[in-house]
Amino acid sequence: GNSVTQMEGPVTLSEEAFLTINCTYTATGYPSLFWYVQYPGEGLQLLLKATKADDKGSNKGFEATYRKETTSFHLEKGSVQVSDSAVYFCALVEYGNKLVFGAGTILRVKS
Amino acid sequence: DAGVIQSPRHEVTEMGQEVTLRCKPISGHNSLFWYRQTMMRGLELLIYFNNNVPIDDSGMPEDRFSAKMPNASFSTLKIQPSEPRDSAVYFCASSLQNNREKLFFGSGTQLSVL
Repeated sequence: GNSVTQMEGPVTLSEEAFLTINCTYTATGYPSLFWYVQYPGEGLQLLLKATKADDKGSNKGFEATYRKETTSFHLEKGSVQVSDSAVYFCALVEYGNKLVFGAGTILRVKS
Repeated sequence: DAGVIQSPRHEVTEMGQEVTLRCKPISGHNSLFWYRQTMMRGLELLIYFNNNVPIDDSGMPEDRFSAKMPNASFSTLKIQPSEPRDSAVYFCASSLQNNREKLFFGSGTQLSVL
């Protein structure tokens, strides 16, 4: 079945550091890929998405590129802020079926 | 606009008691999802509804768990009897059926079963 694997956290960075959170997936076809973010005490929110190979999703300074050859969708940000501290979830959906989430990666940014 | 509304925000109960979690989806959304989040298992889909009809309940862990959606604006997740291992954050999410990719989540109910 479809699955998503994320790097384990927590990831702890200083403000303005470069962020990478790795995500790889397993799917039988050509899924759409997503990053969701969960701020403390809140539900998940869609951060960005990409629907086909080589697409780049971007939002709020975050980017992720759909790499079919490596089945990856790594999240990056050039300069993180304290307000980016949250849990980040990689996810996929295929053929309009239900979303499949990764385990989540905690990001802590220190000032 | 009101988002997905869940109640209560926090629930503390004793083992063996019945627990009912409530969700009001975004108006106009016709798909509703119940998720459970724990440190051990991450985010698990328990059940989802399309147009008030349960479509996939394969994620419901045991018969102690049941979910209903009597109308388009209300759903419940019930645990009877509750056990300490049910302690988790339970999220409700909704979406348009033809845009299943974008889910809108509520703030969750933090359940503690003592």
